[in-house]
Amino acid sequence: SQQGEEDPQALSIQEGENATMNCSYKTSINNLQWYRQNSGRGLVHLILIRSNEREKHSGRLRVTLDTSKKSSSLLITASRAADTASYFCATSRAAGNKLTFGGGTRVLVKP
Amino acid sequence: SAVISQKPSRDICQRGTSLTIQCQVDSQVTMMFWYRQQPGQSLTLIATANQGSEATYESGFVIDKFPISRPNLTFSTLTVSNMSPEDSSIYLCSVHAETQYFGPGTRLLVL
Repeated sequence: SQQGEEDPQALSIQEGENATMNCSYKTSINNLQWYRQNSGRGLVHLILIRSNEREKHSGRLRVTLDTSKKSSSLLITASRAADTASYFCATSRAAGNKLTFGGGTRVLVKP
Repeated sequence: SAVISQKPSRDICQRGTSLTIQCQVDSQVTMMFWYRQQPGQSLTLIATANQGSEATYESGFVIDKFPISRPNLTFSTLTVSNMSPEDSSIYLCSVHAETQYFGPGTRLLVL
């Protein structure tokens, strides 16, 4: 069964707005990762945050991790139409090990 | 980094038949992972394939249905046996090389 739950399941915003999605998980983790998938294609790795980190930035992406609440958030700032995709969080209990995926958030950015 | 290719990219198969999916990596890796993504769903791990040993299957997946080969450190195959329409999914292989990389996926439709 999937460990992670993501909300919202779907998000529709205007270009230029920020998009925030959340991920919760159930067990202890080594790291949490966020991926993007366009139209059922392969996954693109966005960012990895380790269990001893609380916040990480990469370009327009900001990820937070709260291990006490077993939750993470992904913020996409100044969204663009090209950000339209499904976003998945995935947890790993050991570095380089198998991933357990959340249900995903479908983001639609309207031009 | 790692570049992963999969063959075939897509296929339409008749129920009761089997399909073997190939995954090729451009570097040697210890573990290769096979995931399934059912329509509109997230990814679920099928099994972990280590070179020189039997694959480790996740709950709900069995070797008779999804036999896996791992003849060397750059290649693996996943066979979907005795297919039914419920096997219609995208099948993705993945490796860890500093970060997690995914192949482009094999889109399977079973009629």
